[in-house]
Amino acid sequence: DSGVTQTPKHLITATGQRVTLRCSPRSGDLSVYWYQQSLDQGLQFLIQYYNGEERAKGNILERFSAQQFPDLHSELNLSSLELGDSALYFCASSEGAHEKLFFGSGTQLSVL
Amino acid sequence: QKEVEQDPGPLSVPEGAIVSLNCTYSNSAFQYFMWYRQYSRKGPELLMYTYSSGNKEDGRFTAQVDKSSKYISLFIRDSQPSDSATYLCALSGGGADGLTFGKGTHLIIQP
Repeated sequence: DSGVTQTPKHLITATGQRVTLRCSPRSGDLSVYWYQQSLDQGLQFLIQYYNGEERAKGNILERFSAQQFPDLHSELNLSSLELGDSALYFCASSEGAHEKLFFGSGTQLSVL
Repeated sequence: QKEVEQDPGPLSVPEGAIVSLNCTYSNSAFQYFMWYRQYSRKGPELLMYTYSSGNKEDGRFTAQVDKSSKYISLFIRDSQPSDSATYLCALSGGGADGLTFGKGTHLIIQP
């Protein structure tokens, strides 16, 4: 168990809908990262937050947004969902800004 | 050219064999090198973490980094069926841009 908690584990929704994925980092970790994993693209970095502030952006679509709350948990919001958004979404946390990442077990999103 | 290249496999070897997994990269700014193991539909698990060039050993696992060749390796000795998983290399320049992952090598250890 990595100590990173992600909910829900599975999410099935329809195109055009909006969903929220939640992540609680390991105790003491200030950085939260979101990654998307699909079969053809591998693990793609979406966005990083450090102690509540956005730190870095990767290949995150404009339809997607995230935030980190004062208690350090984070949420990833996906809107206007498309079939191609179906993927595993992972949250990871680290103690500092760019150290060893510890991953949660992921949220499997299926857009039908 | 992609930033990180990794053969997707599958790589199938008999139990007890020495396994060699590799990644090449193009960005000379990478300074931190990691290997993650991922079982099917689970989160990646950190196996090895190295900084700059050199070797690091942890039990049956050895990580090697050759920055001059932009080549990193993970060796698994006395491989076990439980080692069957996807192994991803991950690299970082130390900046605020997360890790860059290879696409992973699917390893199968045959009993």
